Amino acid sequence: AQTVTQSQPEMSVQEAETVTLSCTYDTSESNYYLFWYKQPPSRQMILVIRQEAYKQQNATENRFSVNFQKAAKSFSLKISDSQLGDTAMYFCAFIGNAGNMLTFGGGTRLMVKP
Amino acid sequence: EPEVTQTPSHQVTQMGQEVILRCVPISNHLYFYWYRQILGQKVEFLVSFYNNEISEKSEIFDDQFSVERPDGSNFTLKIRSTKLEDSAMYFCASSTRTGASGANVLTFGAGSRLTVL
Repeated sequence: AQTVTQSQPEMSVQEAETVTLSCTYDTSESNYYLFWYKQPPSRQMILVIRQEAYKQQNATENRFSVNFQKAAKSFSLKISDSQLGDTAMYFCAFIGNAGNMLTFGGGTRLMVKP
Repeated sequence: EPEVTQTPSHQVTQMGQEVILRCVPISNHLYFYWYRQILGQKVEFLVSFYNNEISEKSEIFDDQFSVERPDGSNFTLKIRSTKLEDSAMYFCASSTRTGASGANVLTFGAGSRLTVL
């Protein structure tokens, strides 16, 4: 079974600065996807970024980028130029090649301060 | 942009009552899912559904839960006899494919908040 661990329950960052959220996972599969989802106070789940395990290049979406270290089973999210609207719960998630379900980490609550 | 639509956004019910949560997946999606998030906890997989049958379910998805696609557009989650611990946010999701292949990206609905009193 896969597990996803987010070791930082809460983090804060000043507006316009950069913050990195950590995620580690455990799996025996070789092909899988990793995701970061954002959950604002409205509690909707919004996809931020995804990474395919067979791609060595780190995914980037505007101010969001990941540092994917496959051997270390690490998948961190970097948010550059943090904005007040980035304040939310962030979930790391995993889906394997054979399965139907996303496995989520416990989440990191990010507060962006003005 | 296509959306997954869920109704109701919030439902309050008495313990022991039946509840039906409704979802309209994205029209060309083939795989449908329900996830649950108890307040303050992680999001948990309940069930996946494909070709009019359950393809995978978690331990949470016991006999009190059922899913149905009654009319080709709606996808429903029924909780037969609600318990206090069923209070949670329930998310519907849909995707074009399953697993890690191709363009599999789950699109989530905004969630239905269930409060059991």
